[in-house]
Amino acid sequence: QQPVQSPQAVILREGEDAVINCSSSKALYSVHWYRQKHGEAPVFLMILLKGGEQKGHEKISASFNEKKQQSSLYLTASQLSYSGTYFCGTEMSELREGGSEKLVFGKGTKLTVNP
Amino acid sequence: DGGITQSPKYLFRKEGQNVTLSCEQNLNHDAMYWYRQDPGQGLRLIYYSQIVNDFQKGDIAEGYSVSREKKESFPLTVTSAQKNPTAFYLCASSYRTSGGSTDTQYFGPGTRLTVL
Repeated sequence: QQPVQSPQAVILREGEDAVINCSSSKALYSVHWYRQKHGEAPVFLMILLKGGEQKGHEKISASFNEKKQQSSLYLTASQLSYSGTYFCGTEMSELREGGSEKLVFGKGTKLTVNP
Repeated sequence: DGGITQSPKYLFRKEGQNVTLSCEQNLNHDAMYWYRQDPGQGLRLIYYSQIVNDFQKGDIAEGYSVSREKKESFPLTVTSAQKNPTAFYLCASSYRTSGGSTDTQYFGPGTRLTVL
């Protein structure tokens, strides 16, 4: 049930781009993306719902391909502040239909942006 | 200011003792969640509650217990039955949707529990 995130870690220089993927073996209703700095709480970035809508937040955007049961997070022109661990949280359609609203999180992708 | 508070930030306990972690929210959220985070494991759901006086087990509920007597509060007890309790514990809350879009989970600052 746990989604698989790739890559596990990535190191960038400031200004470079990165893509983080999140794949599930189950049909998904929604995908939530969070960023966590070391020792802090995860911070919400965006939600993507069924329908394949791409969303954006400044230079961070994401897509959701429900047929492929996967989502991708795109970070463009990375900044030092983008460093942290990125988690996807997936909501499975079968659980949603049963009235549950729980998320299952991937193991995270550690992003390091160097000057 | 609205938000989620967890206390204490750091907690040390001796092996075999039960310990209760506090989680309070003043966001008027219906749903509350407890997660455990270990290095390299991501966030794993322990228990969640979608309404007062009701809660469901998550993926790793063994050795833990919860209560939801008030909308604002969702304390987690780590019992002596939990074999490896040392971890970072995160509480979250969200509005409970009624079939529409899924709402965001907001996280508290976390409690780092160390069992000696």
